[in-house]
Amino acid sequence: GAGVSQTPSNKVTEKGKYVELRCDPISGHTALYWYRQSLGQGPEFLIYFQGTGAADDSGLPNDRFFAVRPEGSVSTLKIQRTERGDSAVYLCASSNMGSGANVLTFGAGSRLTVL
Amino acid sequence: AQKITQTQPGMFVQEKEAVTLDCTYDTSDPSYGLFWYKQPSSGEMIFLIYQGSYDQQNATEGRYSLNFQKARKSANLVISASQLGDSAMYFCAMREDNNAGNMLTFGGGTRLMVKP
Repeated sequence: GAGVSQTPSNKVTEKGKYVELRCDPISGHTALYWYRQSLGQGPEFLIYFQGTGAADDSGLPNDRFFAVRPEGSVSTLKIQRTERGDSAVYLCASSNMGSGANVLTFGAGSRLTVL
Repeated sequence: AQKITQTQPGMFVQEKEAVTLDCTYDTSDPSYGLFWYKQPSSGEMIFLIYQGSYDQQNATEGRYSLNFQKARKSANLVISASQLGDSAMYFCAMREDNNAGNMLTFGGGTRLMVKP
């Protein structure tokens, strides 16, 4: 696609529920990143995929968070047993790793609210 | 220690004037890249400008320029001839090349408000 697409744009859920957030990167971009942005703060790195594998998941806050990219394109961020502190905007970005500056192109984000 | 520090939570600038947004960084990696992104109220992060650590000249992109002072570890963004549409959050970010993932580390941002 022309840009990075994220769905849903907004998700409201109750504490303890399971949520999935989807990211469709720019076609041909091999690298995919998930970030979390809390209100009034800069984005924080969660996980990075190169192709299908999670090359670096050091930013995932705990084992309730998991992400997959089974075919090397679309990725899903999965959050189990959601907590109120998980409320944030989840940003996805993709890049063409061979492109020098490796500029990350971001999607519009998925705003998660946990009641 | 913070890798990226943006000390100005908010800035005002008069329309058509220039403004400088500060960014300092901390790294021991000799090879790195510095980025600025704009985030309007719609939420999307928009790439503005990039500076590589080995670049000899300051980067420029239209009305945006990056004042890169390597010894001071600063990478300030200069916006010339401010427009009302420049009102947004601005984030400085760094990529350290010893990190295989090339992920970005962001600062806390500066909110720029352009006055008519």
